Amino acid sequence: DADVTQTPRNRITKTGKRIMLECSQTKGHDRMYWYRQDPGLGLRLIYYSFDVKDINKGEISDGYSVSRQAQAKFSLSLESAIPNQTALYFCATSDPRQLNYGYTFGSGTRLTVV
Amino acid sequence: TQLLEQSPQFLSIQEGENLTVYCNSSSVFSSLQWYRQEPGEGPVLLVTVVTGGEVKKLKRLTFQFGDARKDSSLHITAAQPGDTGLYLCAGANTDKLIFGTGTRLQVFP
Repeated sequence: DADVTQTPRNRITKTGKRIMLECSQTKGHDRMYWYRQDPGLGLRLIYYSFDVKDINKGEISDGYSVSRQAQAKFSLSLESAIPNQTALYFCATSDPRQLNYGYTFGSGTRLTVV
Repeated sequence: TQLLEQSPQFLSIQEGENLTVYCNSSSVFSSLQWYRQEPGEGPVLLVTVVTGGEVKKLKRLTFQFGDARKDSSLHITAAQPGDTGLYLCAGANTDKLIFGTGTRLQVFP
């Protein structure tokens, strides 16, 4: 099994629909992140969480919400999807004691809003 | 907002050529990481550089952190088709990573 698992891998949804992207990890890391990837813009941080009771906004949090249900689970919701939220979404984890070891990423969710 | 600009944005070369990718910022970072991302997958860490002026080598890849810890470069010697992918730099501030805009490399046989 992958260290960081994202579901679904692909999703097409209609404008105005609510959608949830899920992320689970087996790394035992406290820190989890949601990023959005668009061509030419790299990875932009949406939300991050340093433990179960901690939620922080990233640079592009508008239109998104998150829930940290357990140390291993961090979900991202789009309350009312819009076409410009079409993108590749990545979940990642890290160990603050070993930041130089980098982030561990999931394989991504490709979301299309029509 | 801290920004990390990478150049070039796209690079298409023949097998055996050398190339350099640049990662520049006006901000100082405590460390800088390079990732490679292949289609359908998430980024995977290649290296972390911590000290200003530090040089690290990973087979045919050479990474350098600028003296002022604001910029970095990735040099690939004798590129191979297997080097094809999206290269991302990421600067560490106190508690999270800021990712660069990415360089998409295509190496043709």
